[in-house]
Amino acid sequence: AQSVAQPEDQVNVAEGNPLTVKCTYSVSGNPYLFWYVQYPNRGLQFLLKYITGDNLVKGSYGFEAEFNKSQTSFHLKKPSALVSDSALYFCAVRDVTGGFKTIFGAGTRLFVKA
Amino acid sequence: NAGVTQTPKFRVLKTGQSMTLLCAQDMNHEYMYWYRQDPGMGLRLIHYSVGEGTTAKGEVPDGYNVSRLKKQNFLLGLESAAPSQTSVYFCASSANGMSQETQYFGPGTRLLVL
Repeated sequence: AQSVAQPEDQVNVAEGNPLTVKCTYSVSGNPYLFWYVQYPNRGLQFLLKYITGDNLVKGSYGFEAEFNKSQTSFHLKKPSALVSDSALYFCAVRDVTGGFKTIFGAGTRLFVKA
Repeated sequence: NAGVTQTPKFRVLKTGQSMTLLCAQDMNHEYMYWYRQDPGMGLRLIHYSVGEGTTAKGEVPDGYNVSRLKKQNFLLGLESAAPSQTSVYFCASSANGMSQETQYFGPGTRLLVL
């Protein structure tokens, strides 16, 4: 069965410091992996996705994520955090053979302090 | 382009009352989805539609019904609301059901059932 784990409920980081939001997954086949961000009182917005190819994926707002097949991880990273990055981040996975069914992680709240 | 819109934004119901949540998209997407978001649980799929006139059950369909009479609209109905249905409801759409397709989300409807 597909599953996604975001082991941290909350991540705190100072503005200007690098940030990492962790995600691990489990699928029976090859994964398609996604990161979405949710700002207060808003819907989820797509950040980036891994389909195939380069393990380092670059997305919106300076975010990037690294696909690590051996560790079944897809951690979200940014070299220098901004206060405006404070939001709820969701990792999601689809099995390549499983069509559109998407499994979302529970979410990680990121707080960036000025 | 408005993208995906949802009405209402917020609603309070008494147990046993009924209501309909409306989702509209102007991207000519084939697939539409209804999710609920509960703290610590990520998003869970309630029902989905692969095209006009079609609907299917997702992960947590009990207590909900849906209709897709027009391609751009996807309605979620609660026939007899229960406190367990207190949640934030998100509608999403995607161009098709391919695994790599990104989903586009509406701003959400916050529902409180007393």
